[in-house]
Amino acid sequence: GDSVTQMEGPVTLSEEAFLTINCTYTATGYPSLFWYVQYPGEGLQLLLKATKADDKGSNKGFEATYRKETTSFHLEKGSVQVSDSAVYFCALSDQPYAGNMLTFGGGTRLMVKP
Amino acid sequence: GAGVSQSPRYKVAKRGQDVALRCDPISGHVSLFWYQQALGQGPEFLTYFQNEAQLDKSGLPSDRFFAERPEGSVSTLKIQRTQQEDSAVYLCASSTAGDGYTFGSGTRLTVV
Repeated sequence: GDSVTQMEGPVTLSEEAFLTINCTYTATGYPSLFWYVQYPGEGLQLLLKATKADDKGSNKGFEATYRKETTSFHLEKGSVQVSDSAVYFCALSDQPYAGNMLTFGGGTRLMVKP
Repeated sequence: GAGVSQSPRYKVAKRGQDVALRCDPISGHVSLFWYQQALGQGPEFLTYFQNEAQLDKSGLPSDRFFAERPEGSVSTLKIQRTQQEDSAVYLCASSTAGDGYTFGSGTRLTVV
């Protein structure tokens, strides 16, 4: 079955540091890949997505590139802010549209210190 | 409404008690999903509705869990005879073709 593995946290960085959160996946088909963010006390929010190999998703300074050859979708940001402190979830779906479930990784907590 | 609304936000249940968790999806969203998120873990799929039809309930952990969406809008997740291992955040999400998911803020269930 499908699965997602992401690096364990917490990841603690100083403000303006470079961020990488690793994510690898196993899927039988050609999934769409997602990063979701969960701020304290809030629901999951879609951060970015990529639907095919070599696509790059980007949003709010975050980027991730769909690498089929390494089955990876690592999240990066060049300069983190305190407001980026949250839990980040990598996820996949075998179909990008309504009607198919998401398979999530275990989440990575990011803590950014001023 | 503007987003997915879940109620109650917090629920404390005594072991053995029945609970009902409500989800109000975004108006017009055909698909509705329930996920269970244990502490420190990623969400795990429970069940999926397309309109009023429950098309997939493979993730429901036991027959104590039951979900319904009788009119294709509001959905209720019911857990009978709650156990401590049911303690988790229960997330609802809705979507429609071409759009991504919108998640609610979840209901945090604590079984004592």
